This record gives sequence, C-alpha cells and structure tokens, in this order.
Amino acid sequence: DAGVIQSPRHEVTEMGQEVTLRCKPISGHNSLFWYRQTMMRGLELLIYFNNNVPIDDSGMPEDRFSAKMPNASFSTLKIQPSEPRDSAVYFCASSPPGTPRTDTQYFGPGTRLTVL
Amino acid sequence: GDSVTQMEGPVTLSEEAFLTINCTYTATGYPSLFWYVQYPGEGLQLLLKATKADDKGSNKGFEATYRKETTSFHLEKGSVQVSDSAVYFCALSNSGYSTLTFGKGTMLLVSP
Repeated sequence: DAGVIQSPRHEVTEMGQEVTLRCKPISGHNSLFWYRQTMMRGLELLIYFNNNVPIDDSGMPEDRFSAKMPNASFSTLKIQPSEPRDSAVYFCASSPPGTPRTDTQYFGPGTRLTVL
Repeated sequence: GDSVTQMEGPVTLSEEAFLTINCTYTATGYPSLFWYVQYPGEGLQLLLKATKADDKGSNKGFEATYRKETTSFHLEKGSVQVSDSAVYFCALSNSGYSTLTFGKGTMLLVSP
C-alpha cells in the first residue's frame, strides 16, 4: 500500500517567493495533519483537517501560511512570502477514521524547505 | 496545556547494551501515549503505544509501560543494535480528535 506521499522532497527558494508543499494522504484516511520540524522547536503541529475541514489551525505561525484540503486525497501548505526562518522539514501525516482513540498517525517522508 | 518531556540526547551506546529513554508527561484526563521513531531522512513511524494506565506497549524488542502514578512512559530495550540508531519521540494524544503532542526527540547512536 502506498503511504503518505509528499512533494517536493526538497525545495530551495529565495526569500519572498511563494512556496507550495503538497500531500496525498493514505486512501481511506479522513484526518490530515501538517507539522513543521526544526532543531530549535522540535515537531510542531501547524494545522489539522478532519473530513477535509480545518479543525485546528492554532499552530499556523502567521498569515503568510495557509493550508487547504480541497478533497480527501490532496492537501497543500502554502507560504507566501517565504522567509529564511521558515526553513524546516515539513511533514504531512494522516490517520484513519474510527473512535477518537484511533489516533495513530502515518507520516510522509517530509519536504525539506530551505529559504535563502 | 499538555506537554511531553524527554531526556536530551544524544544517547550513545555500544551494540547489545541496555537502553532506557525517559519520557514524562503532563496532561489532564487519560491520554494515550506513543513512541515514534525517525530514521535518517525519513518520516516518523509509530513504534509502540499504550492507551491506558499499566498497559505495556511493545514492538521490535522495545517496550514501554504507561505509569499514571509517575506520569511516565519510558522506552526500554534489552539489547540495542546499530540499526536502532535513530531519533525517538515520545508523544501523547489527549483530545477528542487525533492530535498529538510530541516531545523534542532523543537521538540514539549505537556503535558496533
């Protein structure tokens, strides 16, 4: 079975440019999560979707960040304009439906973003 | 709010040594507890989990016991291998949804 798919795996861009990260969750999963990982702050939850609806976006750093989930098989995380402090590894994860305690998340390989 | 505290790394061991990585948590209610592992260049993978007090999660020789009285979920393995070198994350889930709160991770380095 295919796992969570993220693209691109690596992105290098210049400050001020728009960056779009993409995620395809595991088929049948109905929850999707975007995380950011840095050395300083560890893993931070940015936003969480359930059945394509954003449930909790309190972790989104600021208005430069936006996320969408237009359908059950695709999500994007956009940064506009990008800044050097956005450099990090961004992970997408998905989890299957079930009781609230299903809570096992399956992670993609991540996108390593470098903003120069 | 909820939080997870892990021992800082790196933890450096020789092959076949005993491993303990400490994890304590702060949460209201009755959280589920997890250990995830991240190998170099990869995403996180669930290693084991426990959903209630005194449960023991185990996988691939690793185990951890949910201790509510000490709010701990320490990871142990009796004999580590070089292939166990990775970053280990303790996490908890304590909401009606599936969100996870992670610790900062502990790097394990195992030498032959």
